[in-house]
Amino acid sequence: QSVLTQPPSVSAAPGQKVTISCSGSSSNIGNNYVSWYQQLPGTAPKLLIYENNKRPSGIPDRFSGSKSGTSATLGITGLQTGDEADYYCGTWDSSLSSGVFGGGTKLTVL
Amino acid sequence: EVQLVESGGGLVQPGGSLRLSCAASGFTFSSYSMNWVRQAPGKGLEWVSYISSSSSTIYYADSVKGRFTISRDNAKNSLYLQMNSLRDEDTAVYYCARDTGGLYFPTRFDPWGQGTLVTVSS
Repeated sequence: QSVLTQPPSVSAAPGQKVTISCSGSSSNIGNNYVSWYQQLPGTAPKLLIYENNKRPSGIPDRFSGSKSGTSATLGITGLQTGDEADYYCGTWDSSLSSGVFGGGTKLTVL
Repeated sequence: EVQLVESGGGLVQPGGSLRLSCAASGFTFSSYSMNWVRQAPGKGLEWVSYISSSSSTIYYADSVKGRFTISRDNAKNSLYLQMNSLRDEDTAVYYCARDTGGLYFPTRFDPWGQGTLVTVSS
């Protein structure tokens, strides 16, 4: 059971938009920055979003992040088949003194 | 190019030990905190441990506390994870990841190494 809760799967058609939610509590998302990671099949995870809504260089602006209270959201617009991957949210939990991840969300581009 | 290369994985019996290494290149290793993150087969990511740039701050997940020890050698640009009393549930791909958050706890993992597989089985 993960500290952060994500939907197991989401799907949408090419060109469409999808959002992935990440729910936590005041000890983690509520008081710390959230990062998002993309893991393509058979590869290591890659940083997609940091500090809730910032994109590292090289990440297209089709990817966006937001945070409100104890929840965070990853948005992907203009879906491409190459976006099919597992997506994870992560943050620090101040009460646990531990890094925490969501259980991951598998994105299928139909 | 920033690069992280893990090594040291393999098959080990329950109760055994293993030492993982992560060789860093392409950046000033001594200026960054580092992390170990693992992923059991077919499962999600699990943060394992964090060490600050000077080794002054260290954190462990409860699942490995007392069994695993993280360390680093800044002169050798290397990160280590000593794993003792290994259990079946420690079977996973272990990734090392640079922390670019700049805080004294894990916040932003970028980049990640390719991972090394640890299999605990009799």
